[in-house]
Amino acid sequence: GAVVSQHPSRVICKSGTSVKIECRSLDFQATTMFWYRQFPKQSLMLMATSNEGSKATYEQGVEKDKFLINHASLTLSTLTVTSAHPEDSSFYICSATTPGPTYNSPLHFGNGTRLTVT
Amino acid sequence: DAKTTQPPSMDCAEGRAANLPCNHSTISGNEYVYWYRQIHSQGPQYIIHGLKNNETNEMASLIITEDRKSSTLILPHATLRDTAVYYCIVRVSGNTPLVFGKGTRLSVIA
Repeated sequence: GAVVSQHPSRVICKSGTSVKIECRSLDFQATTMFWYRQFPKQSLMLMATSNEGSKATYEQGVEKDKFLINHASLTLSTLTVTSAHPEDSSFYICSATTPGPTYNSPLHFGNGTRLTVT
Repeated sequence: DAKTTQPPSMDCAEGRAANLPCNHSTISGNEYVYWYRQIHSQGPQYIIHGLKNNETNEMASLIITEDRKSSTLILPHATLRDTAVYYCIVRVSGNTPLVFGKGTRLSVIA
C-alpha cells in the first residue's frame, strides 16, 4: 500500500537553530502534501498545504517565515522550523493523498517527527 | 472546526466488538465519512471511509445511517493493539486536508 515516510523521527535542537523535516511519498507521486502539528494531549492541527512547484498555503496563525515549506518534487516536501524556540517543541506530521479517483482518495500519514527545543 | 461529535472515551473487552459512534448532523452531500486512528506517538492510520453505503474491509466495518447524520465504526474482535484514539472526519472530495476533532480514546481491556 501507499507509504509516507518522514525523517527524522526524533530531533533535539538548541534554541535559535533551525531544523529540517523531510516527508516522502515512497511509491506514489503526491502533488499536494499537508503538514500538521500536535501538542501533548491535543488533536492534530493543520499548519499548511504544500503544493509541488508553488508556494505553500498556511493556516491562520501559522508564521510562514518561521515554518518554511518546500515541495520541490512530486515525492518530497520539507518543513524547516527556523530559529526554533522551546514553544515550537511538538509532534510534526505530514500526509499525502494516494493516487486513484481523487474524489475520495484517503490521506496517508507519516509517522511524525518529535521535535524538542532546549 | 471539526464537523463531527464523538464520545471522549470508551472501554471495550478484548475479543468483543468495539462500536464507536460519530455524529455528523451537518454533513454535506459531497462529504465522505473517514475514520482514522492514532496510536500513541505515531501518525494517524487510515481505517475506512464511505459516502452512504456501509463499507467493510480487513480492519473494520462502517455503518452509515440512511440520513447520513451519524455513523458507527465497528472493530469486530478488539485486541489490545486496537487501543488508540479514533477520529471520525467528514471531508469533501478532491485533494483536501482532514480536519481533526478530539476523537474517541478507545481502551481495550484484557
